[in-house]
Amino acid sequence: DAEITQSPRHKITETGRQVTLACHQTWNHNNMFWYRQDLGHGLRLIHYSYGVQDTNKGEVSDGYSVSRSNTEDLPLTLESAASSQTSVYFCASSDDWTTGTGELFFGEGSRLTVL
Amino acid sequence: GQQVMQIPQYQHVQEGEDFTTYCNSSTTLSNIQWYKQRPGGHPVFLIQLVKSGEVKKQKRLTFQFGEAKKNSSLHITATQTTDVGTYFCAGDRGSTLGRLYFGRGTQLTVWP
Repeated sequence: DAEITQSPRHKITETGRQVTLACHQTWNHNNMFWYRQDLGHGLRLIHYSYGVQDTNKGEVSDGYSVSRSNTEDLPLTLESAASSQTSVYFCASSDDWTTGTGELFFGEGSRLTVL
Repeated sequence: GQQVMQIPQYQHVQEGEDFTTYCNSSTTLSNIQWYKQRPGGHPVFLIQLVKSGEVKKQKRLTFQFGEAKKNSSLHITATQTTDVGTYFCAGDRGSTLGRLYFGRGTQLTVWP
């Protein structure tokens, strides 16, 4: 069965360190997204991609970067982790709106703690 | 600013009571989606509404999309403990393909 997986599921790091969260999907979806979830804020979009070599900033992109070198993967990098980036991070993918519903398929989430 | 407003933020009900959550957008939406997130889990797609005035039902859940395509609601009849979780609406403004604007969610607690 197709799926979307995130790793690591839990990570503790120190302020200033670089962190990369992996996201891998086998749906063959062109669209991939990274969200962060914090109490009281719901799901906020960090970065998204519509295909290989395409990346776009979301509403809370400062301090984060992504790259899309193939269809399956969209790693999220925190260049210099800050305590404000302690959060639960969700990766999601979706089919093209023109060929599917655009429904988002979410990974299990990665809980990041920055000390 | 917040693109999609969702209320209430929290709702506590006795099992068997009804529950409704509301979403309102400042702009017209091309479609709206609803997701459910169980405690400790990830959001899971429930349904998508596309047409003005559309009403869809899934067993005890009724979803509505407003005539102006700016608001939506999810109503659960006779809640059960299995309905516990956070319900999110997510609107697509149509200008950016596939990019959804999520409401902050309504966290539903059901007391047995």
